[in-house]
Amino acid sequence: AQKVTQAQTEISVVEKEDVTLDCVYETRDTTYYLFWYKQPPSGELVFLIRRNSFDEQNEISGRYSWNFQKSTSSFNFTITASQVVDSAVYFCALSEESGANSKLTFGKGITLSVRP
Amino acid sequence: NAGVTQTPKFRVLKTGQSMTLLCAQDMNHEYMYWYRQDPGMGLRLIHYSVGEGTTAKGEVPDGYNVSRLKKQNFLLGLESAAPSQTSVYFCASSSVQNIQYFGAGTRLSVL
Repeated sequence: AQKVTQAQTEISVVEKEDVTLDCVYETRDTTYYLFWYKQPPSGELVFLIRRNSFDEQNEISGRYSWNFQKSTSSFNFTITASQVVDSAVYFCALSEESGANSKLTFGKGITLSVRP
Repeated sequence: NAGVTQTPKFRVLKTGQSMTLLCAQDMNHEYMYWYRQDPGMGLRLIHYSVGEGTTAKGEVPDGYNVSRLKKQNFLLGLESAAPSQTSVYFCASSSVQNIQYFGAGTRLSVL
């Protein structure tokens, strides 16, 4: 069975600090997909990134970067120079398949508060 | 750009009442999902559909029914609401690329 663990429940930082959100996953499959979603205070879920298990390259998108390490089953998310607008709940998720069976298993989420 | 639209946004029910939550997507996605979000639990899959006329159970299906009569719509029904079903409900849809796009959520309280 697949499992996603987000051990950090709440993180509070001051604006402009860097912050890393941890995600550890468990799966028996060799093909799988990892995701990060953002849930701002308004409540909607916003897709941030998808990574498949064969692509271990780190990804950078503006102030956001993701570090995928299969050796430690981790897919960590770093926000550089955090801003107040980054305050949200962040979910890591795992899908063991694509297409018709691409059910997501979510972690419990990390609440990030960025103080001015 | 509508994307995934959920109706209603808020609802208060009394124990034993029934209701239907509507999810509509305009992205021509094959796959649709219903999740519930509870404090400290993340999102848990209730039911999902891989195409028009098909549905399947997720992780927490008890007390819910679903129907997918049209490709663009996915309905979630509560036949006899219980306080344990107080939650925020999210609908999502995806294509074969398996990126799920979510609606804004429905906040349901069962008294």
